[in-house]
Amino acid sequence: RKEVEQDPGPFNVPEGATVAFNCTYSNSASQSFFWYRQDCRKEPKLLMSVYSSGNEDGRFTAQLNRASQYISLLIRDSKLSDSATYLCVVNPNDYKLSFGAGTTVTVRA
Amino acid sequence: NAGVTQTPKFQVLKTGQSMTLQCAQDMNHNSMYWYRQDPGMGLRLIYYSASEGTTDKGEVPNGYNVSRLNKREFSLRLESAAPSQTSVYFCASSEAGGAYGYTFGSGTRLTVV
Repeated sequence: RKEVEQDPGPFNVPEGATVAFNCTYSNSASQSFFWYRQDCRKEPKLLMSVYSSGNEDGRFTAQLNRASQYISLLIRDSKLSDSATYLCVVNPNDYKLSFGAGTTVTVRA
Repeated sequence: NAGVTQTPKFQVLKTGQSMTLQCAQDMNHNSMYWYRQDPGMGLRLIYYSASEGTTDKGEVPNGYNVSRLNKREFSLRLESAAPSQTSVYFCASSEAGGAYGYTFGSGTRLTVV
């Protein structure tokens, strides 16, 4: 079983729509959680950390469910510039982060 | 503020050639990492250095060696390149292991023919 699993998508949505997707993680001892964004042929960049109480950053909302071991990301009022691959990232409490393979989102005009 | 700098950005090698990928960070981070990314495979850890003076194998270390030259620099060497090593290579660094996430370099696109 992979440490972090994501629906690869693609999620194809119109501008202004809301899109949400999850990832699941296998290590219940994981302590830190993140969403990274990766544009085509570029390096991954931190989008937001995910806290136990859930958190928002503008149009982006992240939620953590420790009991079910999943993390979600919701994007409201989608923009063309939100088109990217979103990586779910988990720290299983050691020096190495575990990366999901990514969920591709395409926002169309 | 450069962050994590990787060189070169692009490289084409012939099978059997050797090369070293360079990575330097200016954020005073303790930990550094080398990943490769292949289509559909996600990021796979090759080697990492938790702190200056230490290195450890990751998920896919075969065919690679690393050197943590000092706190700033962490290099990846391919001794005898193979077509299976065609990939995009990312270096990353972090302040305290994975607790606060990583900062990535812009990547090296390597093709082995």
